[in-house]
Amino acid sequence: DAKTTQPNSMESNEEEPVHLPCNHSTISGTDYIHWYRQLPSQGPEYVIHGLTSNVNNRMASLAIAEDRKSSTLILHRATLRDAAVYYCILRDSNAGGTSYGKLTFGQGTILTVHP
Amino acid sequence: DAGITQSPRHKVTETGTPVTLRCHQTENHRYMYWYRQDPGHGLRLIHYSYGVKDTDKGEVSDGYSVSRSKTEDFLLTLESATSSQTSVYFCAMAGGKNTGELFFGEGSRLTVL
Repeated sequence: DAKTTQPNSMESNEEEPVHLPCNHSTISGTDYIHWYRQLPSQGPEYVIHGLTSNVNNRMASLAIAEDRKSSTLILHRATLRDAAVYYCILRDSNAGGTSYGKLTFGQGTILTVHP
Repeated sequence: DAGITQSPRHKVTETGTPVTLRCHQTENHRYMYWYRQDPGHGLRLIHYSYGVKDTDKGEVSDGYSVSRSKTEDFLLTLESATSSQTSVYFCAMAGGKNTGELFFGEGSRLTVL
């Protein structure tokens, strides 16, 4: 399975943008890039996902490099509530429906947001 | 509305006793999963289900069994709990459509003494 590499931790100030990087140099053409986050004492929460093109939703933006070997999750204005562990995960779409849950969660990036 | 709930949320038990954790969903989703989360290991898949009575093993299935007799319920059983199974257990569901989204429950904290 293709793996991802993320920094262990990052810090940001409230109301500033945050760029969370993820490297996935062995990504295959059928791998989707997913981002989840986990707030303290809660289950992981889906943030966004993409394949090749940049994606935007109400929570964040996902910027995918042209060669797809890296991606960046962008929080446009960090709030204290965004303090969480952020996971960058690859999902093989060829694995069918069961692939949704057969995700490999690494250690993620611990994001600290300062007031 | 949570759509997916776990019970019990907290449980303390003794080594050698059986334990069953329940995951209940109200979304009629086809796919359900059980994970455990431990410091230093992240989330690891235990078992998953792709339909009623259809289940398969995940990454760390030893010592665990599952059952899914109806769409809404996915049970995780520890036949004889051990201290190494002290963990936080998360249930998750997915609809199978290409939304890419996995929905997690709030977690069940199990302590085996």
